[in-house]
Amino acid sequence: DGGITQSPKYLFRKEGQNVTLSCEQNLNHDAMYWYRQDPGQGLRLIYYSQIVNDFQKGDIAEGYSVSREKKESFPLTVTSAQKNPTAFYLCASQPQGRTEAFFGQGTRLTVV
Amino acid sequence: DAKTTQPPSMDCAEGRAANLPCNHSTISGNEYVYWYRQIHSQGPQYIIHGLKNNETNEMASLIITEDRKSSTLILPHATLRDTAVYYCIVRAPGGSARQLTFGSGTQLTVLP
Repeated sequence: DGGITQSPKYLFRKEGQNVTLSCEQNLNHDAMYWYRQDPGQGLRLIYYSQIVNDFQKGDIAEGYSVSREKKESFPLTVTSAQKNPTAFYLCASQPQGRTEAFFGQGTRLTVV
Repeated sequence: DAKTTQPPSMDCAEGRAANLPCNHSTISGNEYVYWYRQIHSQGPQYIIHGLKNNETNEMASLIITEDRKSSTLILPHATLRDTAVYYCIVRAPGGSARQLTFGSGTQLTVLP
């Protein structure tokens, strides 16, 4: 089945550690996105990528980094510089020319 | 994107139709109405979209009023698994998901 897979579903990190969240899609979509969702709040854009080897900062990129070496993969690294990393992280992709977006199941990151 | 207004919560009996309203009185002529839902602790799921004609797919039906100022999402036979927050958004065609925002939506609770 085609879709977007995020892993892991739950992740615990100690303060001061970097951690990488995986996002893989087999929908052949060019555009991919990372969002953060905090309780009772909407989506906030972290990074996005329109094509391979290119990505742009979103509204809250500080403390995060990404790479887009393959069309299928768009991993997000939460660095120790991110002051408040505990959140629900969502990855999405979008087909070219279409407005609807397709989301993964999310990764809940908790800093302990 | 035009602003939308949805009731904060609704209940529906299992097996009955769930009718979720959305007001979008400032919608522009080229903007589509999109519906997503988010089950607790999961990623948002695209449901359906439409411009001015009624639309139906395997998940739901979308009824848009003739003046396009409001719409109704219909889940014909609601199940417990349909309990989720439902988001109505209005967007121009081809809009990037980097501008995707969800308002507070409608919390639909399907009761046994």
